[in-house]
Amino acid sequence: NAGVMQNPRHLVRRRGQEARLRCSPMKGHSHVYWYRQLPEEGLKFMVYLQKENIIDESGMPKERFSAEFPKEGPSILRIQQVVRGDSAAYFCASSPSRVENSNQPQHFGDGTRLSIL
Amino acid sequence: DAKTTQPPSMDCAEGRAANLPCNHSTISGNEYVYWYRQIHSQGPQYIIHGLKNNETNEMASLIITEDRKSSTLILPHATLRDTAVYYCIAPGSGGGADGLTFGKGTHLIIQP
Repeated sequence: NAGVMQNPRHLVRRRGQEARLRCSPMKGHSHVYWYRQLPEEGLKFMVYLQKENIIDESGMPKERFSAEFPKEGPSILRIQQVVRGDSAAYFCASSPSRVENSNQPQHFGDGTRLSIL
Repeated sequence: DAKTTQPPSMDCAEGRAANLPCNHSTISGNEYVYWYRQIHSQGPQYIIHGLKNNETNEMASLIITEDRKSSTLILPHATLRDTAVYYCIAPGSGGGADGLTFGKGTHLIIQP
């Protein structure tokens, strides 16, 4: 199965620690998106990356959150100094390209459930 | 993104066709309509998308009105495993390549 792979599936951190969430896109996909889903809410877009570039980070909190998608390896969503409000499911999606008016759908992984103690 | 409106919940009997409506009256001429679903605790699953013509794949059919202001997702023979929240999304001119805006969707419950 060459789907979007996220790990870990579950992550527990204490307040003040750092959380690192990883996402490997589908084979042949060069675009990665991160979304956050708070309990009982819908998914909210956070950031869109291509290899080595952040294209749109309009949904990212201004502090403590960062994302990267290096030339080699998975995309990483990093949350520093976690707080209780960061507890959520974090989903990654990938797509093959961004062409003007592209109709390529995004495909999602099964997420990382982050719990902050 | 064009704003989409969906009923908050629907019931359907197992084995029957489930018809899920979506209004997107502000959609522009080059914006696609995408449908995803999210089964509890899983990631959103892509179902189907279309621009003007009706579309069909192994999961569902998508009927888009001629004026493109609304569409209907049809699951032809619903099963219990189709119970999920269904999202209708019109991402804008960037198509599926932009960040998607998920509304509240329709919670479809398939009754045995």
